[in-house]
Amino acid sequence: DGGITQSPKYLFRKEGQNVTLSCEQNLNHDAMYWYRQDPGQGLRLIYYSQIVNDFQKGDIAEGYSVSREKKESFPLTVTSAQKNPTAFYLCASNRGPKVVYNSPLHFGNGTRLTVT
Amino acid sequence: GDSVTQMEGPVTLSEEAFLTINCTYTATGYPSLFWYVQYPGEGLQLLLKATKADDKGSNKGFEATYRKETTSFHLEKGSVQVSDSAVYFCALEKAASGGSYIPTFGRGTSLIVHP
Repeated sequence: DGGITQSPKYLFRKEGQNVTLSCEQNLNHDAMYWYRQDPGQGLRLIYYSQIVNDFQKGDIAEGYSVSREKKESFPLTVTSAQKNPTAFYLCASNRGPKVVYNSPLHFGNGTRLTVT
Repeated sequence: GDSVTQMEGPVTLSEEAFLTINCTYTATGYPSLFWYVQYPGEGLQLLLKATKADDKGSNKGFEATYRKETTSFHLEKGSVQVSDSAVYFCALEKAASGGSYIPTFGRGTSLIVHP
């Protein structure tokens, strides 16, 4: 079955360490997204990529970095510069950026990151 | 900029009660509108969508109608079940640079259904 795989489900890190969250999709989707979810704040867009080797900052990109070297993969690195990294991180994908697709998002099951 | 506003939760109902979760939007142009549902510990799943004014999206007994005149997309269900307990997100495709559109979400509304 096609889908999005995020790993690991739970991740623990010490303050000051960088950590990379994995996101892989086998849906042949062009566009991929990273969202951060905090209680009471909904989903906030961190980064998105509409095509391989290209990505754009979302609303809260500071302290994060991404790469898109393969269509299937869009890893997110949470750097030590991120002030409040503890959160639930969701990866998503869809067919592409054009409105003509009206393409809904497919989500992974998320990674819960705890930094102490 | 484009945005979505949802009613705050939690919404607490008894089984078989009628559900309404309000959603209004601000957008340039005519965005597609979506409702997603998130069960505990999981990612979001598409519940329903509407792509133009007066369209009605429906799925699993849930419905929402795209109302351009009131810029609303309220979610309704005639008789909720305990299994409907989840967080519901209203979303639209927001205009971004280069003529593309990216999804943007409301804050989510938690629904709790008691037996």
